[in-house]
Amino acid sequence: AQSVTQLGSHVSVSEGALVLLRCNYSSSVPPYLFWYVQYPNQGLQLLLKYTSAATLVKGINGFEAEFKKSETSFHLTKPSAHMSDAAEYFCAVSEGNYGGSQGNLIFGKGTKLSVKP
Amino acid sequence: NAGVTQTPKFQVLKTGQSMTLQCAQDMNHNSMYWYRQDPGMGLRLIYYSASEGTTDKGEVPNGYNVSRLNKREFSLRLESAAPSQTSVYFCASSARQGKRETQYFGPGTRLLVL
Repeated sequence: AQSVTQLGSHVSVSEGALVLLRCNYSSSVPPYLFWYVQYPNQGLQLLLKYTSAATLVKGINGFEAEFKKSETSFHLTKPSAHMSDAAEYFCAVSEGNYGGSQGNLIFGKGTKLSVKP
Repeated sequence: NAGVTQTPKFQVLKTGQSMTLQCAQDMNHNSMYWYRQDPGMGLRLIYYSASEGTTDKGEVPNGYNVSRLNKREFSLRLESAAPSQTSVYFCASSARQGKRETQYFGPGTRLLVL
């Protein structure tokens, strides 16, 4: 069964500092991995996704994530945090089969990012 | 192109009341989903519809029913609301279920059951 673990429910960084949000997954088959961002009182917006084409994936707003099979990780990074990055971030995994429940997304519990001035 | 829309935005119910949450998408997507979001729990799938005419249970279906009215619309019904159903409900859609497909989310419905 697939699952996602996000380490740290809250992460606080200073403006201009490196952002690192951790995500580990378990999957019985090569996974498809996603990062979503949720700003206060809004829905989820896709940041980036890994679909086996390249291990380093670049997304919107300067975020990127690296797929490391040996570590079963897909950590999200941004070199320099901005105040507008304050939000909750969700990692999700799909085993990618068409049809059946395996095709659905399984979400982590989320990491709330705070950015201090 | 509005994407995924949800109504209502907010709702307060008394225990035992019923209501239907509406969701529509204008992206011609085949698959649609209902999630609930609770603090510290992430998003959990309630029901999904892989294509028009089909619906299936997700992780937490108890207390809910769904209807895939047509390709555009997917509604979620609470027949007898309970305080445990206080949550934020999100609808999502994707071109098809699984594989590389990105799910696009609506803005959510905040439900309080007293």
